[in-house]
Amino acid sequence: ETGVTQTPRHLVMGMTNKKSLKCEQHLGHNAMYWYKQSAKKPLELMFVYNFKEQTENNSVPSRFSPECPNSSHLFLHLHTLQPEDSALYLCASSQDQSSREKLFFGSGTQLSVL
Amino acid sequence: QKEVEQNSGPLSVPEGAIASLNCTYSDRGSQSFFWYRQYSGKSPELIMSIYSNGDKEDGRFTAQLNKASQYVSLLIRDSQPSDSATYLCALLIQGAQKLVFGQGTRLTINP
Repeated sequence: ETGVTQTPRHLVMGMTNKKSLKCEQHLGHNAMYWYKQSAKKPLELMFVYNFKEQTENNSVPSRFSPECPNSSHLFLHLHTLQPEDSALYLCASSQDQSSREKLFFGSGTQLSVL
Repeated sequence: QKEVEQNSGPLSVPEGAIASLNCTYSDRGSQSFFWYRQYSGKSPELIMSIYSNGDKEDGRFTAQLNKASQYVSLLIRDSQPSDSATYLCALLIQGAQKLVFGQGTRLTINP
């Protein structure tokens, strides 16, 4: 099993749908992250969880709702998204949030909002 | 001013030549700098880190850091087609413990 696994790989949803992205890490790490990667733009940090507790929310709209039931799993619940939310959503993990420079990324979910 | 700036490219380099990727940054307090490689449709992967002024070599890759001029670069010697990817520059902003990425430079190595 690869270090950080994300599902689904691709997702197409309408603006009224509700869907969830899933991330699982098998590295024994304690910090997990959601990033958004849009074309021609830098990676944007969305949320940080450290030992299951949310420690950062970088002004993310409430239509994105993260959930971290344990240190190995991270979800991103999506509802009433906008077309501009279409992007690659990357999950990452690190040993803990103080070692965030050594991130291990998942393969991402390519999201298209119609 | 953007915190981390990279030329988005594409940068085309012939096989066997040296590819030079550059990155400038605005935060003078940054001490830790990183290069990630991202193949098309894949996740970013950390390939180099550098913390001190000067050069750091790892195989065909050399990272160069100049804190006075606020730039960091990545040199790839003997470029191979398999080096074709987007290279992301990142730095850790001290105090805030915030990892900030540039937009990436797309590199194409032509056989």
